[in-house]
Amino acid sequence: EPEVTQTPSHQVTQMGQEVILRCVPISNHLYFYWYRQILGQKVEFLVSFYNNEISEKSEIFDDQFSVERPDGSNFTLKIRSTKLEDSAMYFCASNQDRAREQYFGPGTRLTVT
Amino acid sequence: AQSVAQPEDQVNVAEGNPLTVKCTYSVSGNPYLFWYVQYPNRGLQFLLKYITGDNLVKGSYGFEAEFNKSQTSFHLKKPSALVSDSALYFCAVRDIRAGNNRKLIWGLGTSLAVNP
Repeated sequence: EPEVTQTPSHQVTQMGQEVILRCVPISNHLYFYWYRQILGQKVEFLVSFYNNEISEKSEIFDDQFSVERPDGSNFTLKIRSTKLEDSAMYFCASNQDRAREQYFGPGTRLTVT
Repeated sequence: AQSVAQPEDQVNVAEGNPLTVKCTYSVSGNPYLFWYVQYPNRGLQFLLKYITGDNLVKGSYGFEAEFNKSQTSFHLKKPSALVSDSALYFCAVRDIRAGNNRKLIWGLGTSLAVNP
């Protein structure tokens, strides 16, 4: 069964550094998403992406964040200058259309020190 | 505002007994409702969804959920719990207010513990 993959599984970085989280969505999916889950808190939407552009973003997704689909398979989330409060589990998801369920990757745990 | 509430932080049930994990929602218009499960150190796995049609939907691993429009609820149920069902369960609703808005709005999660 096809699945969403994410790398790395765990990233440790120093405050102020740039990080890139990588995701490979399911190949025939058209819509892509990033969510994050701070430890002990609810899952929060960050951004959705369709047709090579952002279709929606939350208030969390400020100028420090960007997304890119550099080729036909990868979908990346970049944080330009990490802050301590960016420490969280970041989930990538994809689906075929908006009525269908979103399939999630295993997540990348980002620790900012 | 669109929101999802899972009133119980934790549910404990004995193996073999029926289980219910509660979810209520507040959205404008017709909701798309989902249940996901998260096992320790794993991602979110889709269990089931309600889009339209029959109010009782069946999903993976023997789970089912009943959409109740009058009570704005979408409780997750299973007739006979297994120890392996112990995990964190999330209810989510898709925001269908306008345009290309497809984000999922999440409840806080309910930790299910099934005791042998």
